[in-house]
Amino acid sequence: DTAVSQTPKYLVTQMGNDKSIKCEQNLGHDTMYWYKQDSKKFLKIMFSYNNKELIINETVPNRFSPKSPDKAHLNLHINSLELGDSAVYFCASSQAGKQYFGPGTRLTVT
Amino acid sequence: QQQVKQSPQSLIVQKGGISIINCAYENTAFDYFPWYQQFPGKGPALLIAIRPDVSEKKEGRFTISFNKSAKQFSLHIMDSQPGDSATYFCAASSVGSASKIIFGSGTRLSIRP
Repeated sequence: DTAVSQTPKYLVTQMGNDKSIKCEQNLGHDTMYWYKQDSKKFLKIMFSYNNKELIINETVPNRFSPKSPDKAHLNLHINSLELGDSAVYFCASSQAGKQYFGPGTRLTVT
Repeated sequence: QQQVKQSPQSLIVQKGGISIINCAYENTAFDYFPWYQQFPGKGPALLIAIRPDVSEKKEGRFTISFNKSAKQFSLHIMDSQPGDSATYFCAASSVGSASKIIFGSGTRLSIRP
């Protein structure tokens, strides 16, 4: 069974479009995250939710909006996509400091 | 104060050699120091972790050395194998807080056959 899953795995879209990435974890963790990994492999935290409540909101453009319908799901919606949004986006959940990452969604904006 | 500095950026080691990656942190409130391994096309996966009450932790060929006074920790991979070729991230967090984890910038490790 996949612990942290994301869909889609690949997303190719044009500038100005709106897109969503979905994430689900079956580990029973209370805390979930979204990370952005750029071409240089740097991992940057974007958001963190604890039990459906937003607890970390880094300096991210407000075109990015996370939504947590329940503690097992954390989705990411991106409005008005820009070229600079191209990256790999990772969802993760955590317990006792240990992070469990999903397989990533490679977003390409053309 | 929130940074975790990781070096080197890339590393090439011969098969059978020792790979060493170093990290330094600033925030003394950090109390959990994990290392993550990432293969191409995959998400990072927890490899090994240490808490500051011990100076060393070993799991198989992987060892973390921790120096609390210097605020430094390192990953040693003994008898490095081509299958160890990956990107390695050190990290630091305060487990009791909102669990914000700070990652180092990553080290691309290549093991030459």
